[in-house]
Amino acid sequence: DIQMTQSPASLSASLGETVTIECRASEDIYNGLAWYQQKPGKSPQLLIYNANSLHTGVPSRFSGSGSGTQYSLKINSLQSEDVASYFCQQYYDYPFTFGSGTKLEIK
Amino acid sequence: EVQLQQSGAELGKPGTSVKLSCKVSGYNIRSTYMHWVNQRPGKGLEWIGRIDPANGNTIYAEKFKSKATLTADTSSNTAYMQLSQLKSDDTAIYFCAMDQFLTTVPPFAYWGQGTLVTVSS
Repeated sequence: DIQMTQSPASLSASLGETVTIECRASEDIYNGLAWYQQKPGKSPQLLIYNANSLHTGVPSRFSGSGSGTQYSLKINSLQSEDVASYFCQQYYDYPFTFGSGTKLEIK
Repeated sequence: EVQLQQSGAELGKPGTSVKLSCKVSGYNIRSTYMHWVNQRPGKGLEWIGRIDPANGNTIYAEKFKSKATLTADTSSNTAYMQLSQLKSDDTAIYFCAMDQFLTTVPPFAYWGQGTLVTVSS
């Protein structure tokens, strides 16, 4: 199985700041990577797919990058509504696997 | 508009089974893969498996091969997951999610609202 190592586990930042969350795959996943935002009591919401494609309706302050085994999610100009948990997921190969998540709070 | 509507919360006793449903509206599940994911209390997301409703083919994560059984009824456009031999460790929220692989819509763009399964005697 492909292991996804996500960091950091938690993050505290000020409004307007830029934050970056990283995911490392245990092998090359050829950009088969998605990022999700999950708020308490809600389903995960797709933000980014194919490593760097912004899903419809997602604000442009979210962006994804990376290749091979290293991927990142960047949030520019942090807003209060961005407080949530964020997960990466590889869908290059079965079984699909998720990172352990990053909890983002406002400082 | 595509919607995935999951069945209500379940309370199951240890050793018993529960069957969860995920009814899809706005898209024919014959043209999808239906995935199931769980989330234990306060924890991350875990992929359980997926079914191709057109032919019933399934793929499971190893740890769920004897726990979960995925089925689908194309006549009612509904996917199902049965969880057997319930243990306290199965207490979690279970989500269904859709992959419209024949379209440009990315996988996991659509999720159900989740079903809470609580295992308790």
